[in-house]
Amino acid sequence: AQSVAQPEDQVNVAEGNPLTVKCTYSVSGNPYLFWYVQYPNRGLQFLLKYITGDNLVKGSYGFEAEFNKSQTSFHLKKPSALVSDSALYFCAVRGWNSGGYQKVTFGTGTKLQVIP
Amino acid sequence: DTEVTQTPKHLVMGMTNKKSLKCEQHMGHRAMYWYKQKAKKPPELMFVYSYEKLSINESVPSRFSPECPNSSLLNLHLHALQPEDSALYLCASSQEGMNTEAFFGQGTRLTVV
Repeated sequence: AQSVAQPEDQVNVAEGNPLTVKCTYSVSGNPYLFWYVQYPNRGLQFLLKYITGDNLVKGSYGFEAEFNKSQTSFHLKKPSALVSDSALYFCAVRGWNSGGYQKVTFGTGTKLQVIP
Repeated sequence: DTEVTQTPKHLVMGMTNKKSLKCEQHMGHRAMYWYKQKAKKPPELMFVYSYEKLSINESVPSRFSPECPNSSLLNLHLHALQPEDSALYLCASSQEGMNTEAFFGQGTRLTVV
């Protein structure tokens, strides 16, 4: 069965500092990995995805993520955090489940708090 | 147009009521989804429609009844809900394929009283 782990419930970072939100995954076959952000009382917004190719993926709002196959990780990063980046971040993996259909599995989410 | 539109934004209903949630997208996506999300938790998949046919039902109670009238619309009919069904209900759509991201609506905040 596929799974996603986000080990930190909350990450605090000072404005202007680099940020990292961690994600590790487990899936059979090739991993299709995604990051989404959710602001309060809103739906999820797509940030970026890894399908194949370069291990460093660039996405929206200056975010990027590094895919590491040996460590089965897909950490989200940003060189300089903004207060407006404060939100809930979800890592997700898409794969085939035991029932023979595609399924997206979300991590438990990490709340990012950027401190002015 | 890259939006998924959900109505209503908020809904309060009694346990004996019947109501419907609506979702619309005009991106030509052939896969549409209903998710349920509790506070500070990840979305939980409820239903998937592919080419207007129900392809996945994640063992959702029958008091939730999905409907896909056409390729742009997705409804969720609600009947005899319980207070524990109170949550944010999210609709999403995507292209078919493993490498495609989902586009989410802003959700309907449902409260069952």
